Amino acid sequence: LAKTTQPISMDSYEGQEVNITCSHNNIATNDYITWYQQFPSQGPRFIIQGYKTKVTNEVASLFIPADRKSSTLSLPRVSLSDTAVYYCLGKSPMNYGGSQGNLIFGKGTKLSVKP
Amino acid sequence: KAGVTQTPRYLIKTRGQQVTLSCSPISGHRSVSWYQQTPGQGLQFLFEYFSETQRNKGNFPGRFSGRQFSNSRSEMNVSTLELGDSALYLCASSLWASSQETQYFGPGTRLLVL
Repeated sequence: LAKTTQPISMDSYEGQEVNITCSHNNIATNDYITWYQQFPSQGPRFIIQGYKTKVTNEVASLFIPADRKSSTLSLPRVSLSDTAVYYCLGKSPMNYGGSQGNLIFGKGTKLSVKP
Repeated sequence: KAGVTQTPRYLIKTRGQQVTLSCSPISGHRSVSWYQQTPGQGLQFLFEYFSETQRNKGNFPGRFSGRQFSNSRSEMNVSTLELGDSALYLCASSLWASSQETQYFGPGTRLLVL
């Protein structure tokens, strides 16, 4: 199982870059690291996923060091609408041939962006 | 392409009743997973279906059950409702039942048990 640990909360101001670090000491060799964003009373929204080194999309960047025991989600120039809970996830697949593998959600990081 | 849809969006039931929630995955997606979210326990995995078969199951009592139809739509049922079943129930779909596939979540069904 890939249990994850991340800060409970973070504060930032509009226009700043926000980096949220997650530790996942027991990550399995085949596990990917996935980040989701969730607004109140909505379903989680996929942000980014990576296996190692760096992944970038139109929303965020994900940095994963060589030992893969941690990862950092980087949100460039946050705005008020980025206020949400961010989850770093590992997966616990039952078997790679026949299961999606359930997502293991931790407590998440509540990001508050202030004007 | 339409996202994952869940019905109903809100539901109020009383203890002892049963409830059925419905989930329509993204068109073409064949894997559907269900999660329960509560303030105390956070997001917890219930079960996963692929090709009408349950492939994975979380640690929930037998009162929680589900099924998937040939068109990939899924339903979950909770019998003999308890106050603690009040939660946001989320459905997520993915293309295949592969651990590397991204799961896309619906808006959820908010269940209140009185």
